[in-house]
Amino acid sequence: DAGITQSPRHKVTETGTPVTLRCHQTENHRYMYWYRQDPGHGLRLIHYSYGVKDTDKGEVSDGYSVSRSKTEDFLLTLESATSSQTSVYFCAISEQGKKLFFGSGTQLSVL
Amino acid sequence: GESVGLHLPTLSVQEGDNSIINCAYSNSASDYFIWYKQESGKGPQFIIDIRSNMDKRQGQRVTVLLNKTVKHLSLQIAATQPGDSAVYFCAENINDYKLSFGAGTTVTVRA
Repeated sequence: DAGITQSPRHKVTETGTPVTLRCHQTENHRYMYWYRQDPGHGLRLIHYSYGVKDTDKGEVSDGYSVSRSKTEDFLLTLESATSSQTSVYFCAISEQGKKLFFGSGTQLSVL
Repeated sequence: GESVGLHLPTLSVQEGDNSIINCAYSNSASDYFIWYKQESGKGPQFIIDIRSNMDKRQGQRVTVLLNKTVKHLSLQIAATQPGDSAVYFCAENINDYKLSFGAGTTVTVRA
């Protein structure tokens, strides 16, 4: 998947616990993104980054935070997980902010 | 807000026939469009893209057509194969660094 590694691939957690998902790239692309995918909603942008320590909100950012301390890593944190955050999370990268390449996804279940 | 959408959520195609997947967009400022294929349990995979200054672009067995007059995008797959069974998403870029996705069309290839 275009040099993108997401971890973990699957996670089950309890409501109220913090969760961090990691995206690691080996392509040295400037842009990194976190999307969530839910039935009936397609892919929705949570947060994105346009450089180290440069991030911005997407359309469904409430309840999520991100950090990018290195070009290759983009972390997504759920400070206090809720059942509505049960979803499949995809990381994507892009060299110029147009064509995105996606990782394999993380299936997160919040019980 | 404006968003990308697909005309039909499902499409059933006979193996060997041509497939046409349609997508309508509403933002006339969009300058870049892209098609993705997503197989079960995997991340979206890039198929083909097109800029707004083009009407048609061809790839290997795929063609994307863009009609800016009616804000319509289509993906044509020639000689559809069983491996083409997947969910297909169109996405648009509105002159920034994010993609907005449609809900997807599930293509099923009949043997």
